[in-house]
Amino acid sequence: EPEVTQTPSHQVTQMGQEVILRCVPISNHLYFYWYRQILGQKVEFLVSFYNNEISEKSEIFDDQFSVERPDGSNFTLKIRSTKLEDSAMYFCASSPRVWDTEAFFGQGTRLTVV
Amino acid sequence: DQQVKQNSPSLSVQEGRISILNCDYTNSMFDYFLWYKKYPAEGPTFLISISSIKDKNEDGRFTVFLNKSAKHLSLHIVPSQPGDSAVYFCAASPRPGSSNTGKLIFGQGTTLQVKP
Repeated sequence: EPEVTQTPSHQVTQMGQEVILRCVPISNHLYFYWYRQILGQKVEFLVSFYNNEISEKSEIFDDQFSVERPDGSNFTLKIRSTKLEDSAMYFCASSPRVWDTEAFFGQGTRLTVV
Repeated sequence: DQQVKQNSPSLSVQEGRISILNCDYTNSMFDYFLWYKKYPAEGPTFLISISSIKDKNEDGRFTVFLNKSAKHLSLHIVPSQPGDSAVYFCAASPRPGSSNTGKLIFGQGTTLQVKP
């Protein structure tokens, strides 16, 4: 069964460093997303991406965040200068349509900023 | 801004009995609702969904009920099994339109424990 894969599973970084979280969405999907879950809190939407551009972003997704689909298969989330409060599980998701369908989630990357 | 609320942080039921998980929403633009199940250290896994044109959708042991007038949905699991023990998230998606990007708004989750 096709699945969304994320690497690495765990990333530890020093505050102020840049991190790139990687995702390979399901191959025939057109819509891509990043969500995050801070420990003990709800899953929060960060950004949606379609047709090689951001279609929506939340207020969490400030100038420190960026997304890219560099080669038609990978979908990356970059945080330029990490803060302690960026520590969270980051989930990539993809879906074949924009509505009336579920989003398929990866297993997540645990980001720890020290 | 809690547009999707799951007011019960936890629920414990006996194996074989019914589990009922509840979810309320406030945004009338939500038109498609989903339930996800999540185990520790894993991503959310889709369980079942319902669109606003229906009031019930059933898939095996899982049934989702939607009450649009009350802005309430529930997930029934019957019979409950120990393997169902996980965190269950309710999620909602807005009506398709020019601003619809497919994002999901999640509730806080309910931890279900099914005791053998």
